[in-house]
Amino acid sequence: GAVVSQHPSRVICKSGTSVKIECRSLDFQATTMFWYRQFPKQSLMLMATSNEGSKATYEQGVEKDKFLINHASLTLSTLTVTSAHPEDSSFYICSARGQGVFSYNSPLHFGNGTRLTVT
Amino acid sequence: DQQVKQNSPSLSVQEGRISILNCDYTNSMFDYFLWYKKYPAEGPTFLISISSIKDKNEDGRFTVFLNKSAKHLSLHIVPSQPGDSAVYFCAASGGSNYKLTFGKGTLLTVNP
Repeated sequence: GAVVSQHPSRVICKSGTSVKIECRSLDFQATTMFWYRQFPKQSLMLMATSNEGSKATYEQGVEKDKFLINHASLTLSTLTVTSAHPEDSSFYICSARGQGVFSYNSPLHFGNGTRLTVT
Repeated sequence: DQQVKQNSPSLSVQEGRISILNCDYTNSMFDYFLWYKKYPAEGPTFLISISSIKDKNEDGRFTVFLNKSAKHLSLHIVPSQPGDSAVYFCAASGGSNYKLTFGKGTLLTVNP
């Protein structure tokens, strides 16, 4: 089945530094990838939608200069949290959709997430 | 304003019995609904989905029911097994916009 790999699974960084999270689709070409963030006991909140070869579309309230998204190829999207602060500590999850119609039998596939802790 | 609501943060069920997880939505543009299962420190795993043209979809022990007039869907798991213990997220999307809107999740605990 389709697999989405996310790396790293866990990262601790100091306040003010930047962190890059990678999301790869391993056996399919992902034209669209989505980045979510989940705070404890909260739902997954969509941060941005990235389309291969074009600029990401950010949800309201998400700072595009802070959360840089790059989707340079059909199998890789990256999320860079720039100048991280403790309030950015969260669980970040990517998901991917392949080419073709988002059909009844083609749900999004999720990576295993990245636990970011900013000290 | 939450467009997808899971009003029960947790549910505890005995092994072998039925688990019923509920989800309500407010956006009438939603036409595709999914349930995801999530273990701690892992990403969600797709479980089952339903299109708005149907009112029921069944896959093994899992059945999803959709009541469009009430804007309500439910996931039935029968018989429940201890391995089903996880957080279950309801999600919805609408039109050609493939973005998913998630509920807050319900923690299901199946006791042996």
